[in-house]
Amino acid sequence: AQSVTQPDIHITVSEGASLELRCNYSYGATPYLFWYVQSPGQGLQLLLKYFSGDTLVQGIKGFEAEFKRSQSSFNLRKPSVHWSDAAEYFCAVGASSNTGKLIFGQGTTLQVKP
Amino acid sequence: GAGVSQSPRYKVAKRGQDVALRCDPISGHVSLFWYQQALGQGPEFLTYFQNEAQLDKSGLPSDRFFAERPEGSVSTLKIQRTQQEDSAVYLCASSSYAGGPGLEQFFGPGTRLTVL
Repeated sequence: AQSVTQPDIHITVSEGASLELRCNYSYGATPYLFWYVQSPGQGLQLLLKYFSGDTLVQGIKGFEAEFKRSQSSFNLRKPSVHWSDAAEYFCAVGASSNTGKLIFGQGTTLQVKP
Repeated sequence: GAGVSQSPRYKVAKRGQDVALRCDPISGHVSLFWYQQALGQGPEFLTYFQNEAQLDKSGLPSDRFFAERPEGSVSTLKIQRTQQEDSAVYLCASSSYAGGPGLEQFFGPGTRLTVL
């Protein structure tokens, strides 16, 4: 069955430091992968997505992610974190169905220290 | 332009009450999804509409859950005889394209349901 694992439930980084959020997926074919961010009281906002092609994808707000098939990973990175990046981050895979439903990981809460 | 809106934003229900949650998708969007997000968890798929047709309801947890989208725009998720385990945030998402694994979905702010 398809699944997404985010090993880190909570991460704290200092403002200005680099960030990497881990995501591992289980999927038989080439996956459709997404990263969403959720701020308190807000809906999920798409940061970036990977379908095919270049394995390093750029997103909004200075985020990027790298697809590594050999490791079944799609880790999210940012070179320098801002206090406004504090939020919950979700990795998701597009299910192998004709509906487009997403299978989400349980999320990683990012705290940014001043 | 307006995004996906949901109402009410917060709902408190006594156990056994029926509730109705509304979703207004982005105008013209063909696809509409409902997800349930329990506290501390990622969203879980409930059901999918393509226009007015409910093509996938495999995620609905019980027959107490019912969703409709009669005119292919606004959707309502109804929960009958609410139970405490129904307490969660219910998210609605829409997409401009018909179903497929790479759909970009635009999410509403959610309705937080608390069942006492």
